[in-house]
Order: sequence, then C-alpha cells, then structure tokens
Amino acid sequence: GQQVMQIPQYQHVQEGEDFTTYCNSSTTLSNIQWYKQRPGGHPVFLIQLVKSGEVKKQKRLTFQFGEAKKNSSLHITATQTTDVGTYFCAGPGWGYQKVTFGTGTKLQVIP
Amino acid sequence: DVKVTQSSRYLVKRTGEKVFLECVQDMDHENMFWYRQDPGLGLRLIYFSYDVKMKEKGDIPEGYSVSREKKERFSLILESASTNQTSMYLCASSAPGQGNYGYTFGSGTRLTVV
Repeated sequence: GQQVMQIPQYQHVQEGEDFTTYCNSSTTLSNIQWYKQRPGGHPVFLIQLVKSGEVKKQKRLTFQFGEAKKNSSLHITATQTTDVGTYFCAGPGWGYQKVTFGTGTKLQVIP
Repeated sequence: DVKVTQSSRYLVKRTGEKVFLECVQDMDHENMFWYRQDPGLGLRLIYFSYDVKMKEKGDIPEGYSVSREKKERFSLILESASTNQTSMYLCASSAPGQGNYGYTFGSGTRLTVV
C-alpha cells in the first residue's frame, strides 16, 4: 500500500531560525495536504497542493509539491514559538476519498 | 465553520468492556473517518465511511467496528476493549473530493483501558 514518509521526525530550532520538513511518497500523488497539530490539540488542515511543481505561501509558510508529484516540503521562515507543533503531510489513497498521513515532524522552537 | 464533535475528551474503561466512541459533524459531509494516534506511529486509519450505512476498513480495523446510521454520526465500537487499544482516537469528516478544505478533525478522545 501507499506509504508516506516524513523527515525529520523531530526538529529543535532557535526562535528566528528557519525550518523545513520533507514528505516522500512511494507512489505518485494526485494531491498532497498539510496539517498542523498543536500540543494537546488535533490536526488542523493548512493547505492542499495539486499541480506538479506548485508552490503556495501562507505568510511565513511555503509549501512545495515536487515535479514528479511524489514529494513535498513545508518551509517556515523565521520560526516563532507559535509554530510549535507537529506537521503532517497527507496523500490520497484508495478511492480518493481517504488520505494516508505521513509520520509527522515535531517542531520545538526554543525562545 | 465545520464542527466535528466527539462525545468524550477522556475515557477510562476496563479490559473486556464494550466501548462506544461517538462522533457528530454538522456540515453534511459525506465522508467520515476514525483514526488512532500513538506516539511515533502517527495517525492510523481504523475505518471510514463515505455514505450512510456504508463502511470500509482502514489500515488497522482489527478489534473495532463502526456504525453509521445517520449521515452526521459515525460511531466507533471496541467490541472487547484491550490494553493495547489505549490511545488517542480522532474522528474526522470531509466533503467528496476534499477540495481545498481537507479533513476537519474533532478534538479527540483519549481512551485508557485498564
């Protein structure tokens, strides 16, 4: 079945440093979604990428979808303590209606 | 905004008990999902449903069943709870095709089986 791997599993950064998490799929994805889960919270949908090579920005967050549509990245510029949490990518699975979540990257920001 | 409500935030049950976890969404979404989340294992799909009375097994359905009698409600049932089912359970819903809105998750139920 489809596997979606994320690296790194954990990342500690100083506040103000940049952060990147990478998502790799064993199969070509029709789209990819990104979610953020704050400590003690539940995953919250951030964005969906559909097109090969697509780049989308949300303030300090930049999302990219690879040309081959098998990988994606999330880059945060100048991290803030509010960025703390676990970031998940998710790709569609069978029948399109469900997604497979990546293993997540837990981000800690040191003030 | 879509709201997905899970009936309990914390639950403690005894081994062998039958456990019901309830989830209700208020945006008329066709698709509903149950995940469990464990440290280091991420989110794993237990069951999902894309219509009333329809259900499909996810990646880890063993020991669980589901019920969807009404569109807005999706119940997860642990037939005979075991300690290895201690976990955070997350319900989610989505519209067909998901569009740009992805999944909307409930706040989760942290189940402890003793």
